[in-house]
Amino acid sequence: SSELTQDPAVSVALGQTVRITCQGDSLRSYYASWYQQKPGQAPVLVIYGKNNRPSGIPDRFSGSSSGNTASLTITGAQAEDEADYYCNSRDSSGNHRGVVFGGGTKLTVL
Amino acid sequence: EVQLVESGGGLVKPGGSLRLSCAASGFTFSNAWMSWVRQAPGKGLEWVGRIKSKTDGGTTDYAAPVKGRFTISRDDSKNTLYLQMNSLKTEDTAVYYCTTLMAGTNYYMDVWGKGTTVTVSS
Repeated sequence: SSELTQDPAVSVALGQTVRITCQGDSLRSYYASWYQQKPGQAPVLVIYGKNNRPSGIPDRFSGSSSGNTASLTITGAQAEDEADYYCNSRDSSGNHRGVVFGGGTKLTVL
Repeated sequence: EVQLVESGGGLVKPGGSLRLSCAASGFTFSNAWMSWVRQAPGKGLEWVGRIKSKTDGGTTDYAAPVKGRFTISRDDSKNTLYLQMNSLKTEDTAVYYCTTLMAGTNYYMDVWGKGTTVTVSS
């Protein structure tokens, strides 16, 4: 299967903007989706498709994509945004029927 | 309210079997593609497999590490998804999440359950 690569850890000052990236061959064919996971909780979808937010997700979260890289941007990071963030996409290897996840990025809000 | 509730986790010996269930409510389960995702202790998310709606063929696909050992099925009359796990290995120890799977050109998982914990240990 394909792989998606994320930086293990990123930090941002309160109120500043942070970009979390995800790289992989599958992203040349498919959009990434992004999930936020806080300790002890299930993941929550925050971005899907080209740049879509589910109901209830603040508009400070946005997504973009270029080539083999997808990005999640948090504009004006809040303390409650401190969490692990995972990207995933449809797997472009083999029969394209699988799903691949990135290894996750731990976001610290300073 | 859209909800997924997993159950059936527990402690099992290597080589053993376990069946997980996921009860769905608040949406038309029979129309939904569903998936299982797991997370080993302190590790990231790992896709396990998915099942299409019966309307779309009801077929399944699995990640390589579980193919041939795990089986996903569904009972639309009970709004329930299942994960039958056989020949369990210690590396299958994880929290197992049930999710809906939105599958157009792109795939994404928009609803997640809270998870159920599976521990494989002698």
